[in-house]
Amino acid sequence: DAGVTQSPTHLIKTRGQQVTLRCSPKSGHDTVSWYQQALGQGPQFIFQYYEEEERQRGNFPDRFSGHQFPNYSSELNVNALLLGDSALYLCASSFVGGSTYEQYFGPGTRLTVT
Amino acid sequence: LAKTTQPISMDSYEGQEVNITCSHNNIATNDYITWYQQFPSQGPRFIIQGYKTKVTNEVASLFIPADRKSSTLSLPRVSLSDTAVYYCLVGDMLSGGYNKLIFGAGTRLAVHP
Repeated sequence: DAGVTQSPTHLIKTRGQQVTLRCSPKSGHDTVSWYQQALGQGPQFIFQYYEEEERQRGNFPDRFSGHQFPNYSSELNVNALLLGDSALYLCASSFVGGSTYEQYFGPGTRLTVT
Repeated sequence: LAKTTQPISMDSYEGQEVNITCSHNNIATNDYITWYQQFPSQGPRFIIQGYKTKVTNEVASLFIPADRKSSTLSLPRVSLSDTAVYYCLVGDMLSGGYNKLIFGAGTRLAVHP
């Protein structure tokens, strides 16, 4: 049973560019959440998708957008990259009918903005 | 959401029991207490969750006093592989599965030989 997978593993972009990160949830899960983790800090919630809609959003600007597909996979898009967007981006999946706080995280995508 | 406070770092030695305490003075009636573990360059991993008294699984125990204003994660006989960051989270379990996880800075546990 595959867990949460994310691609790519690492990414280097230049300031001002756009980036798309991808996530496939754990089998049987229908909800995908995205988190940003800066070095030395805890993950910060970006947004959550369920039934192909954004259900909740954290304190992140509109440059951060997402999408969920019918197969429950998800994308995170970041436009007009800033140096401060350099971080580990984590995807977590869960099942609406399951334990709210047992979310399964992927290994993350390390984004470096130069 | 209730704010949590936990030590920034802790040191231990192999074979010892480690107790990490988390304070959550503003915990609400519907809130559960959950702990996650994170290894370097990996995503956090769910360890244990509880509401009151004591919960034990194959990895850890969670002790919650009657007032629920704090909780203690207990790791028995730690090994070098337990070196990680441990996060205490407090939040509502009754919101239909849409909840977001609010992480603090966590406790960096270093286990020494």
